[in-house]
Amino acid sequence: TQLLEQSPQFLSIQEGENLTVYCNSSSVFSSLQWYRQEPGEGPVLLVTVVTGGEVKKLKRLTFQFGDARKDSSLHITAAQPGDTGLYLCAGARNYGGSQGNLIFGKGTKLSVKP
Amino acid sequence: GAVVSQHPSRVICKSGTSVKIECRSLDFQATTMFWYRQFPKQSLMLMATSNEGSKATYEQGVEKDKFLINHASLTLSTLTVTSAHPEDSSFYICSAQRIRPGHDNSPLHFGNGTRLTVT
Repeated sequence: TQLLEQSPQFLSIQEGENLTVYCNSSSVFSSLQWYRQEPGEGPVLLVTVVTGGEVKKLKRLTFQFGDARKDSSLHITAAQPGDTGLYLCAGARNYGGSQGNLIFGKGTKLSVKP
Repeated sequence: GAVVSQHPSRVICKSGTSVKIECRSLDFQATTMFWYRQFPKQSLMLMATSNEGSKATYEQGVEKDKFLINHASLTLSTLTVTSAHPEDSSFYICSAQRIRPGHDNSPLHFGNGTRLTVT
């Protein structure tokens, strides 16, 4: 069974601090996606990483896919209260075509205090 | 951008009744939609893959006779929770894949979820 271990589960920091969220697995994924979910809403895709070692930046967010495509990290620089939310990583099981067979991590609930 | 609409957003029903949840892709056709369930403080668990014009594919442990899925058109999939019980209370989320020919990946777009409470 493929599992995605996400850590930490909870993170409470002050505005301006940096943080890193990790997503680890013993399995290889064809791609890995990061989502942000607000309470009572569906997840919103932030980024998809496909190539081992790939690094993508989205403003203050930096995403990295491990060389072996088994792990990923999300780093937020100078966190702001607007970054508060549930961050989910999800690994795609199928190569090419449908990426709906996603395995989700349990999420990291981030709270950024002003 | 692409939008997936899910309805209703909240529903409360009595034990033993059935509830239908709709998932629509508003500005693209989706031959494949996905249904997830999310319990409090848990992650999303894929329940089934809904295929337009054919039977849904259910994940292990998900009862196909209890969670009826119909994907009658390229823009609509429905999930019916039959004979609902309190333990079926959960947050149900659908997603639809927007196929982008020539791209390495086709993104998923999620609905806003349906909070089901069975009393």
